[in-house]
Amino acid sequence: GAGVSQSPRYKVAKRGQDVALRCDPISGHVSLFWYQQALGQGPEFLTYFQNEAQLDKSGLPSDRFFAERPEGSVSTLKIQRTQQEDSAVYLCASSFVTGGNTEAFFGQGTRLTVV
Amino acid sequence: GDSVTQMEGPVTLSEEAFLTINCTYTATGYPSLFWYVQYPGEGLQLLLKATKADDKGSNKGFEATYRKETTSFHLEKGSVQVSDSAVYFCALSDRSGNTGKLIFGQGTTLQVKP
Repeated sequence: GAGVSQSPRYKVAKRGQDVALRCDPISGHVSLFWYQQALGQGPEFLTYFQNEAQLDKSGLPSDRFFAERPEGSVSTLKIQRTQQEDSAVYLCASSFVTGGNTEAFFGQGTRLTVV
Repeated sequence: GDSVTQMEGPVTLSEEAFLTINCTYTATGYPSLFWYVQYPGEGLQLLLKATKADDKGSNKGFEATYRKETTSFHLEKGSVQVSDSAVYFCALSDRSGNTGKLIFGQGTTLQVKP
């Protein structure tokens, strides 16, 4: 596709429910990132993939959060037993190469509301 | 750890006014610096970047200069338009880890009135 696509755009979950958020990066992009953006705050890093390898998951807030990218393209962020504090916008970004100079392209995000 | 601090918003300006949004950073390594913009209803977009000291990034009339001595990367525009209304995020990427992960400031909302 032309850009990074995320689905669903909006998700309402009852507390304790499991959710799965999908990211379709730009075709051919090696790097994929997940960020969490609380209301009125900047995005915070969750995890990073280089192709199918998850090289950095230092930002995942608890073991209820799990991400995968099994074939090096589409990625899924799963949150188990959702809590109210998980309510946020989850952003996916991809870039063509690795490294700190490259531009990251962001999707529009999935807004998760836990009730 | 590394961090980015932006001036608090919202910033409200009249069309054609001069804009400055302050950004300072703390980093143990030698980061690249970025400004991202989020227009209403859209995803984050890269506005400009600078990768070494004294570099000036520029795009769409916006400029920012990488100042290592003051650890700053302030965003400026000489004459804002209503269409510049958006949320602006300053960010750094620590190149030592070679992942490209970004550390963002909290964002500054700009509202330009006609």
